[in-house]
Amino acid sequence: DTGVSQNPRHKITKRGQNVTFRCDPISEHNRLYWYRQTLGQGPEFLTYFQNEAQLEKSRLLSDRFSAERPKGSFSTLEIQRTEQGDSAMYLCASSSGLAGQETQYFGPGTRLLVL
Amino acid sequence: GENVEQHPSTLSVQEGDSAVIKCTYSDSASNYFPWYKQELGKRPQLIIDIRSNVGEKKDQRIAVTLNKTAKHFSLHITETQPEDSAVYFCAAPRGGGSNYKLTFGKGTLLTVNP
Repeated sequence: DTGVSQNPRHKITKRGQNVTFRCDPISEHNRLYWYRQTLGQGPEFLTYFQNEAQLEKSRLLSDRFSAERPKGSFSTLEIQRTEQGDSAMYLCASSSGLAGQETQYFGPGTRLLVL
Repeated sequence: GENVEQHPSTLSVQEGDSAVIKCTYSDSASNYFPWYKQELGKRPQLIIDIRSNVGEKKDQRIAVTLNKTAKHFSLHITETQPEDSAVYFCAAPRGGGSNYKLTFGKGTLLTVNP
């Protein structure tokens, strides 16, 4: 499977715990995006990387959220001290970054439930 | 930042009819407009997109039209089939340029009745 993959697919945690999600983009895609999607809403932009550089973070990304892409390939999103309001689907997407090839391909998402 | 409004929020049609979903955007610098289809429990998948240098694009039963002056774009599905039932999202890039940090509409739940 050469598409975007995410792990785990589901995560249930207790409030206050830390969680980490992983995203593996399409090979050779240099742009990687994280979005959050809640029920009945469209995906909301959180942050994106060009290679290993994190170029922008949304105001939605509080200090409890951190994302990395250490070698410009896979990325991790960590949420510290989880809150019930963090419950959502976390989607990763990647694109080639080349002019005229803007399509963002989404992964299956990680569904987080904070109890 | 970009603001994307999508209408209607729900749409029910009979099989074989056409469906139209409309979106407006606020950032005049936006130059790329994708449409995604999301089935229940699955990832959003691109079905068609359009760039600002054209006014219309068609792919079999699906077409997208763009009016840059009015800042709106629409998805047209003809000869709808039950498998077209899903949530459809429009999107526009925030801040234009080539960054393509997408702002999504709230989605349209399309139901095609057999």
